[in-house]
Formats: sequence, structure tokens, C-alpha cells
Amino acid sequence: DIQMTQSPSSRSASVGDRVTITCRASQTIFRYLNWYQQRPGEAPKLLIYAASSLQSGVPSRFSGSGSGTDFTLTISSLQPEDFATYYCQQSYSPARTFGQGTKVDIK
Amino acid sequence: QLQLQESGPGLVKPSETLSLTCTVSGDSISRSDYYWDWIRQPPGKELEWIGSIFYTGTTSYNPSLKSRVTMSVDTSKSQFSLRLNSVTAADTAVYYCASQPMAVAKPLDFWGQGTLVTVSS
Repeated sequence: DIQMTQSPSSRSASVGDRVTITCRASQTIFRYLNWYQQRPGEAPKLLIYAASSLQSGVPSRFSGSGSGTDFTLTISSLQPEDFATYYCQQSYSPARTFGQGTKVDIK
Repeated sequence: QLQLQESGPGLVKPSETLSLTCTVSGDSISRSDYYWDWIRQPPGKELEWIGSIFYTGTTSYNPSLKSRVTMSVDTSKSQFSLRLNSVTAADTAVYYCASQPMAVAKPLDFWGQGTLVTVSS
């Protein structure tokens, strides 16, 4: 299995902050990397696919970058509705795997 | 747009079989550019991909669950299903169904709301 490791596991931030979350794959996955947001009690929501493509309807303050094994999700200016847990997921291997999640909470 | 809804028992006894169904609306389950997936999330833990199925019945399963998982599709009802046998408390989780387009990076673009299944006697 391809292991996905996110850092940090949690991040305290304030409204307006720039937040960066990283995701590392245990082997190259080229750009087969997706990012999801999960608010408490809700299903995950697709934010970014193919490492840097913004899903329709997702605010432009979200952006993704990277390729190979190292990837980044950036929120340029944190909004109140962005306090949530974020997961990366690889879709290079037929056995899909997720990162352990990064919880962004209020400082 | 696609809508997915999980249904099934919320309580299953240890060693028995967990059975869930996902009903797809808003588009055809038989579309040739989508797979249909199951994902689960134990309470307070991360997401785990269970498997996916194409409308023809072709499946792909998580190797760690493969020996216990069966997925099927009923195009006449616009539903796909999950069966997980010999369950234990470790299978207690919120189970989600989702759609996976054959797009670049094959993301999971639409999700059901999830259903909690508890394994307990």
C-alpha cells in the first residue's frame, strides 16, 4: 500500500491566516493526489483534484501544489467556515489510501 | 448533480454480515465514466477506502478487506451495495458511498451523508 503522511496533525489558526498543510506519499504518485475537507458531522467534500485543480464551486482561497511524493494544500486567508479536518488521498494505486488528516481549529 | 444516499441496519452483531445499499439519483448509475465507491471512517479516526464497482459489476477492493468484502450493483434500482462478513467491533464506523469519475486523478466528487454502523451484541 502507498502510505500518505500529513503534517501537521493539527493547526491552530485565526481568521485571515494563511494555512499550509503538507502531504507526503511513500512512493511517487505523480499528480494523482486529491484533497478533501470534512466538517464535524458531515461527509468529506472534494476541494482539489489532480494535485492543483480546483473543484467546481470551491473558493479560490484554496490551492494545491506538488508532484511526485510531496504535496501542499494552502488556504490563503482562513475563513470561519474553513475550520475543519483536511485529508489528502492518493489515486495512483488501485488501493486508494488517505492521509491521517489535519485538523484546523480556532486559535 | 449526483446525489447518493446510504441505507441499512445501524446495528450488527459480531460475526454477522454488514449489508448496506447506496441509492444514486440525479444521473444514471450506468454511465460509462463513473465508478461507485464505499469508504468508511471509525469514530474519531481517518478515512479508509473499502472498494469500488463499475456498472458492469467489475470490482476493486482494499487488499486489507478483500477477503470479507463483496460489492454488487443493481442498475434497475440505481443502487449499489456493500456486504462485509464476519464483522467485529473494529468494523464500527460511519460508512459512506461516493462517486468516482474517470477524470484526471479519479477523485471522489460526490458523497452520501454517511450511515453509522455499530457492531455490538
